[in-house]
Amino acid sequence: AQSVAQPEDQVNVAEGNPLTVKCTYSVSGNPYLFWYVQYPNRGLQFLLKYITGDNLVKGSYGFEAEFNKSQTSFHLKKPSALVSDSALYFCAVLNTGGGNKLTFGTGTQLKVEL
Amino acid sequence: KAGVTQTPRYLIKTRGQQVTLSCSPISGHRSVSWYQQTPGQGLQFLFEYFSETQRNKGNFPGRFSGRQFSNSRSEMNVSTLELGDSALYLCASSLNAGELFFGEGSRLTVL
Repeated sequence: AQSVAQPEDQVNVAEGNPLTVKCTYSVSGNPYLFWYVQYPNRGLQFLLKYITGDNLVKGSYGFEAEFNKSQTSFHLKKPSALVSDSALYFCAVLNTGGGNKLTFGTGTQLKVEL
Repeated sequence: KAGVTQTPRYLIKTRGQQVTLSCSPISGHRSVSWYQQTPGQGLQFLFEYFSETQRNKGNFPGRFSGRQFSNSRSEMNVSTLELGDSALYLCASSLNAGELFFGEGSRLTVL
């Protein structure tokens, strides 16, 4: 079964500092990995995806993610955090077998402080 | 382009009742998925429909059902509501695998 793990419930970072939100995966075969963000009382928004190719994937709002096959990780990063980046972040993996069934991690609350 | 629209946004039901939630996908998207979000269980996949056919199904009891119409609009139904069904129900439509566009959700409270 496909799964992702987000080891940190919360990450705190000062505005202007780089941020990293961690995600590890367990997948048989090639992983299709995603990051989503959820603002309070809203649905999720797609940030970026890794299907194949370059290990560094760029996405929306200045976010990027680094795929590391040897460490089975797909960490979300941003060089300079903004207070407006404060939100709940989810890593997800696309299940094999076709379709759009995503398995999500438990989420990491990012808090960016002045 | 209009986003994914879910109705109603909020609703309160009592145990034993049933509820129907509606989702209008982005125009041109034929895949519609439903997720349940709770503080304890996180995001759980319910089912996915594509061209009026259920393409994927999660591990929920038969009280949870869905359907998709020819215009891609989708509904989900929960019968014999239980307290544990209180949750945010999210609908998402998609054109490309894994890239889901979510609605703002229907928040169900079961008393």
